[in-house]
This record gives sequence, structure tokens and C-alpha cells, in this order.
Amino acid sequence: KAGVTQTPRYLIKTRGQQVTLSCSPISGHRSVSWYQQTPGQGLQFLFEYFSETQRNKGNFPGRFSGRQFSNSRSEMNVSTLELGDSALYLCASSLALGGTEAFFGQGTRLTVV
Amino acid sequence: QKEVEQDPGPLSVPEGAIVSLNCTYSNSAFQYFMWYRQYSRKGPELLMYTYSSGNKEDGRFTAQVDKSSKYISLFIRDSQPSDSATYLCAMIPNSGYALNFGKGTSLLVTP
Repeated sequence: KAGVTQTPRYLIKTRGQQVTLSCSPISGHRSVSWYQQTPGQGLQFLFEYFSETQRNKGNFPGRFSGRQFSNSRSEMNVSTLELGDSALYLCASSLALGGTEAFFGQGTRLTVV
Repeated sequence: QKEVEQDPGPLSVPEGAIVSLNCTYSNSAFQYFMWYRQYSRKGPELLMYTYSSGNKEDGRFTAQVDKSSKYISLFIRDSQPSDSATYLCAMIPNSGYALNFGKGTSLLVTP
């Protein structure tokens, strides 16, 4: 059974640009959550999608957005990149809404220069 | 102050030792408690989760929850060098909520 797949694994972007990250959940999983991981703040919740609808949202600015497709794949977009957006972005999938049994991908390492 | 506090370590132990990893929390509404293991350059891997208070055992791992003290623990018996990783606790008030993570404890098991 394939795990959660995130692409790309690494990205380098310039301040002010925008970026799109992709996540393919485990087959059959309908919930996809996104987290930002930094050394200073640890893992912080961005948002969760279930059946193509955003169900939960963390405390991040509107520059961070996402969507989910009918096949449960999800994309996350960050516009007007700032240096502080440099982080590991992790996607987690689960069968149901919420995090009791969430399985993480390997993450996308974003560096903003 | 974060809702979930975890000592970042690093914690260094010899192979075969019993390891105790801990988290404290402030939100009494938390009901589900998880432990994740994260190797360098990898995503977190779910080790186990418990509901409410009590103990849960899975092989060399035992999770304990003391809701009266708002304190959770993960014990690793017969620790191995392959257990060297960052251990993250996470918790939620109910199944429909997002995970609240501690910052993780870095563990090094030396041969």
C-alpha cells in the first residue's frame, strides 16, 4: 500500500514569488491536512480538507491557501513568499476528519531566499 | 505559552536502556494522545495513540496518560540505536480536530 506522496521534495524560491505544493494521500483516505514545521515553532497546523471542502483552518495569513480535488489529492499554495516561510511543509492523510490516525508524507522542504 | 510542552533534549542513552519521554499540556479538553517518531529528513511516523487516561503497550513501547496531572509519557524498553530520532507528542480534544504538537525530544541511543 503506497504511503502519502508529496512533491516536490525540495524547492528554492525567491521572496515575493508564489509556490504550489502537492500531496497525494493514501488510497481511500479522504482527509488531507497540511502542517508547517520549523525549528522555532515546531509543527503548526495550516488547514484540513475533507471531501473537497476546507473543514479546519489554523492561524496562518491568507497568503496560505489550499484545495482538494475529487480524487482526494490536495495542493497548497503560498503567495508573496517571505523569508519566514522557509520550512518543511508536511501533508497528512487520514480516513476520517481529524487527526487520531494521521499518516504523514516526507514533506516538501521550501527555502525562500 | 504553547498548549503542549515537551523538553527538546537532546537525550542520550546507552543501548539497552529504558527511555522515558514526556509531555505536559494545559488544555483539559484534550482526550486523544499520540506519539510520533521522526527520523532526520523524514515525515513523522505514528507510533501509537491512546484515548483518555491509562496505559497502552505495543512491543517495546508503552504510552501512559495521566489526565489529572496533564502529563503523558512514552517509555521505550531495550532501546536500540535505530530508535535514535525525534519523538513528538500530539493531542486533540476530539476526533474532528487538528493535531496539537509538542516541539519534539531528540533521542540518541549509543551502541
